[in-house]
Amino acid sequence: NAGVTQTPKFRVLKTGQSMTLLCAQDMNHEYMYWYRQDPGMGLRLIHYSVGEGTTAKGEVPDGYNVSRLKKQNFLLGLESAAPSQTSVYFCASSPGQGDTGELFFGEGSRLTVL
Amino acid sequence: GENVEQHPSTLSVQEGDSAVIKCTYSDSASNYFPWYKQELGKRPQLIIDIRSNVGEKKDQRIAVTLNKTAKHFSLHITETQPEDSAVYFCAASWGQLTFGSGTQLTVLP
Repeated sequence: NAGVTQTPKFRVLKTGQSMTLLCAQDMNHEYMYWYRQDPGMGLRLIHYSVGEGTTAKGEVPDGYNVSRLKKQNFLLGLESAAPSQTSVYFCASSPGQGDTGELFFGEGSRLTVL
Repeated sequence: GENVEQHPSTLSVQEGDSAVIKCTYSDSASNYFPWYKQELGKRPQLIIDIRSNVGEKKDQRIAVTLNKTAKHFSLHITETQPEDSAVYFCAASWGQLTFGSGTQLTVLP
């Protein structure tokens, strides 16, 4: 039982390049989330999904796209990376929405945009 | 939308002393208030949570209090130990969670 797994763990991009972060969970959770963590700013919600085939915008969605084609996977895409997107990205999942219980986080993906 | 303010941003205590971290929230409809601990280089993990129908909850050395009228809640850690050193995040939810900016707690030996 791996929980929530993110790939890749580290990535360096040049401005304008694109990439996709993959999140996989094996807990059969309906809800999945992508957060970014920046110093002094806590965890900010980028996008989330309430079930297979659904996506919704969070607090800071600009510059990112997401897809949830399979229940266990939630992909975060950057179409044209910018230095402001340098951050640590965390995926999380939960059995229900945020006020129903624990979020289970992945180990994080550190992205640097030069 | 929901806004959560967390104070202090850094906190240093002597081993064995108590630590208190405070958060305020803006949306009076929020009904769930968890606290997450993030050790250096690790993922955030839930350590305790409280719902709006409860005023206080304890789990061994940690406790959380909630004042709905004032819209603030606090994390209390007693008899602090070096392994309590970490970043602590509060959060509030009416739907999706909104996190505070975090508190770096350092327990000095």
